[in-house]
Amino acid sequence: GDSVTQMEGPVTLSEEAFLTINCTYTATGYPSLFWYVQYPGEGLQLLLKATKADDKGSNKGFEATYRKETTSFHLEKGSVQVSDSAVYFCALRSGAGSYQLTFGKGTKLSVIP
Amino acid sequence: NAGVTQTPKFQVLKTGQSMTLQCAQDMNHEYMSWYRQDPGMGLRLIHYSVGAGITDQGEVPNGYNVSRSTTEDFPLRLLSAAPSQTSVYFCASSLQGKVRNTEAFFGQGTRLTVV
Repeated sequence: GDSVTQMEGPVTLSEEAFLTINCTYTATGYPSLFWYVQYPGEGLQLLLKATKADDKGSNKGFEATYRKETTSFHLEKGSVQVSDSAVYFCALRSGAGSYQLTFGKGTKLSVIP
Repeated sequence: NAGVTQTPKFQVLKTGQSMTLQCAQDMNHEYMSWYRQDPGMGLRLIHYSVGAGITDQGEVPNGYNVSRSTTEDFPLRLLSAAPSQTSVYFCASSLQGKVRNTEAFFGQGTRLTVV
């Protein structure tokens, strides 16, 4: 079946530090890959996505590249802000006719001034 | 734009009580789903629906029922609440479930405590 593995949190960074959150996956088909973000007290919202190998998704300074050879989709940001404090979820939707989004367990990021 | 609306936001139940969590979307989305979020477990799929009148089980369906009589609404019923159902519940919808790059839109969540 499909699965997503994210680095364990929580992650605490100082403002303007570089962020990497690792994500690897296994999938039965050719998946699309997503990063969702959950701000405190809110639902999840799409941060970025990539639909084929070597695609780079980007939004709000965050980037992730679809690496088929390493089955990875690591999230990066060059300079984090306090407002980036949230829980980040890596997810996939398999291309094998599945309706389901499969999520990682989430990584909580705290950015301190 | 309302998007996906969940009610209530908070609920406390006694063991054995029943209740319905409401979910409505105004985007004419075909696919709707319910997840529960527990610490260290991420989001786990409870039930999903690919259209009005069609529902199916996800990863953790026991203790929950769903129905989809209209495109807009997808209520989740707890028949006899148990403390193990204490969780945060999210409803999500997507335009087309069969398209693999389709974005899911989430409601704000319902925090349920069963005592």
